Amino acid sequence: AQKVTQAQTEISVVEKEDVTLDCVYETRDTTYYLFWYKQPPSGELVFLIRRNSFDEQNEISGRYSWNFQKSTSSFNFTITASQVVDSAVYFCALRRMRRTSGSRLTFGEGTQLTVNP
Amino acid sequence: SAVISQKPSRDICQRGTSLTIQCQVDSQVTMMFWYRQQPGQSLTLIATANQGSEATYESGFVIDKFPISRPNLTFSTLTVSNMSPEDSSIYLCSAEFGSGAGEQYFGPGTRLTVT
Repeated sequence: AQKVTQAQTEISVVEKEDVTLDCVYETRDTTYYLFWYKQPPSGELVFLIRRNSFDEQNEISGRYSWNFQKSTSSFNFTITASQVVDSAVYFCALRRMRRTSGSRLTFGEGTQLTVNP
Repeated sequence: SAVISQKPSRDICQRGTSLTIQCQVDSQVTMMFWYRQQPGQSLTLIATANQGSEATYESGFVIDKFPISRPNLTFSTLTVSNMSPEDSSIYLCSAEFGSGAGEQYFGPGTRLTVT
């Protein structure tokens, strides 16, 4: 069975603060994908990043960075110098890499991030 | 990234009626999916829409309640049948791109309210 846990239900920060969203996952598979999605108040789900289980390099994209640690089954997401437009619900998700097992995304419960001016 | 559109974007429906949601992708894809997001909750997969065959439903979802069509590689529909207020949710379609490389993109969602 696969499971994704986002322990932080809500986070509130002031603009320009750095914030880290935690994601811990469970899977018996040795190969898998991890994802982060952003859901702003408008409701659409915006793809942010996909990480393969065999690639533990951290990634940076502008103000966003991701820390993948297989040893602790974590895939944390940091926003540097947060902005009001970052306010959204952020979902971490897991998917098996083997196509024969289907392509279902297992989502965490989401973290509501509010960035106050 | 791909463009995925859904119609309608939102609707308010009466109990006992049915609503069909359309999902259009701007390129051919092998895998299309339908998810439900109940208010304040995470996303739950309803079914995988298979082109040319019956959809594959997840536990707790049945074809009579959520019939799905997938007539070609760019289009799918989800019908929410005999609606009750508990069906009030956002319904999202998604498509997998990259020849199984794992990237799934989502449509903008259909916000359904059942009164």
